Amino acid sequence: NAGVTQTPKFQVLKTGQSMTLQCAQDMNHEYMSWYRQDPGMGLRLIHYSVGAGITDQGEVPNGYNVSRSTTEDFPLRLLSAAPSQTSVYFCASSTGTSGRSYNEQFFGPGTRLTVL
Amino acid sequence: GENVEQHPSTLSVQEGDSAVIKCTYSDSASNYFPWYKQELGKRPQLIIDIRSNVGEKKDQRIAVTLNKTAKHFSLHITETQPEDSAVYFCAAGYNDYKLSFGAGTTVTVRA
Repeated sequence: NAGVTQTPKFQVLKTGQSMTLQCAQDMNHEYMSWYRQDPGMGLRLIHYSVGAGITDQGEVPNGYNVSRSTTEDFPLRLLSAAPSQTSVYFCASSTGTSGRSYNEQFFGPGTRLTVL
Repeated sequence: GENVEQHPSTLSVQEGDSAVIKCTYSDSASNYFPWYKQELGKRPQLIIDIRSNVGEKKDQRIAVTLNKTAKHFSLHITETQPEDSAVYFCAAGYNDYKLSFGAGTTVTVRA
């Protein structure tokens, strides 16, 4: 049971390049989320999904796209990278077991992205 | 949307003393309040959480209190140890997958 995994661990992009940050979980969790972490600002929600085929925007969605074609995977796409997207990105998942509204969010190890 | 403020931003305590971190939130609909610990270079990990129908919860040396009327909640760490040194984040939300986080508190425990 690997939990939540993210690839790559580190990435350097040039302004205008596109890329996809991968996130996968093997816990059969319904809920998945993407956060970015910047110094002094905590974690900010980018996009989230409550199940396969369902996604919604969080607090800071601009410049990012997501899709959820399977329960396990929730990739985050940067369409045209900008220096303001330099950050550490965390993917998280939690179970949506019926009848339980609140469950622990498990975080992945993070991807450190630098945009030059 | 929800706005969570966290204080202090840094906290230095002597080993064995207590540490207290306070958070306030803005959305009265929020009813889930977790606390995460993040060690340097690591992922955030849940250390304790509280639901809105509970005023206090304790787990060994860690306790959380919630005042829904005043919209604030606090983390208390007693008998601090060097391994408690980390960044602590509070969060608030209506559910567990759509959380708003505080800016974090860097706790340093001095030996």
